[in-house]
Amino acid sequence: DGGITQSPKYLFRKEGQNVTLSCEQNLNHDAMYWYRQDPGQGLRLIYYSQIVNDFQKGDIAEGYSVSREKKESFPLTVTSAQKNPTAFYLCASSGPQRSSYEQYFGPGTRLTVT
Amino acid sequence: AQKVTQAQTEISVVEKEDVTLDCVYETRDTTYYLFWYKQPPSGELVFLIRRNSFDEQNEISGRYSWNFQKSTSSFNFTITASQVVDSAVYFCALMNRDDKIIFGKGTRLHILP
Repeated sequence: DGGITQSPKYLFRKEGQNVTLSCEQNLNHDAMYWYRQDPGQGLRLIYYSQIVNDFQKGDIAEGYSVSREKKESFPLTVTSAQKNPTAFYLCASSGPQRSSYEQYFGPGTRLTVT
Repeated sequence: AQKVTQAQTEISVVEKEDVTLDCVYETRDTTYYLFWYKQPPSGELVFLIRRNSFDEQNEISGRYSWNFQKSTSSFNFTITASQVVDSAVYFCALMNRDDKIIFGKGTRLHILP
């Protein structure tokens, strides 16, 4: 089945540790996105990538890093510089190219940092 | 400025009632796209509909219908004969030419049995 997978569903880390969230898609989509959702809030864009080996900062990129070495994969690293990392993280993809604009989402990863 | 406003934070209705979720957007672009997404308790966002700015035709899909009015910058969503399974958070979203989607803060819908 085609779709977007994010693993793990729940992740716990100690403060000061970097953590990498996985996002894989087999939809042949060109664009991929990372969002953060806090309780009672909408989604805020962290980073996005429209093609392999290229990505742009979103609205809240500070404390995060990404890579796009393969079309299917767009991992997000939450660094120790992120002041409030506890949140629900959603990965999305859209495409191929500009034939469709809606984004399809993965199941999300709930990160808790203590 | 680009903005999406969902003024209703939370709505509760009894099953089988109709309910309308409001969405008002702001954009300076003439070409844009509007979306609705559903977020059930599991957390994954489910795409419901996309509308482009040149197509003001209303759409109906089963019990769901959408009313797009450019004159009032609104893209409202109506669920007819609501069911308990419709309970979720619903997001309205806007995309301009830069391919970034801006989400509203969502409306939490409770359908009471």
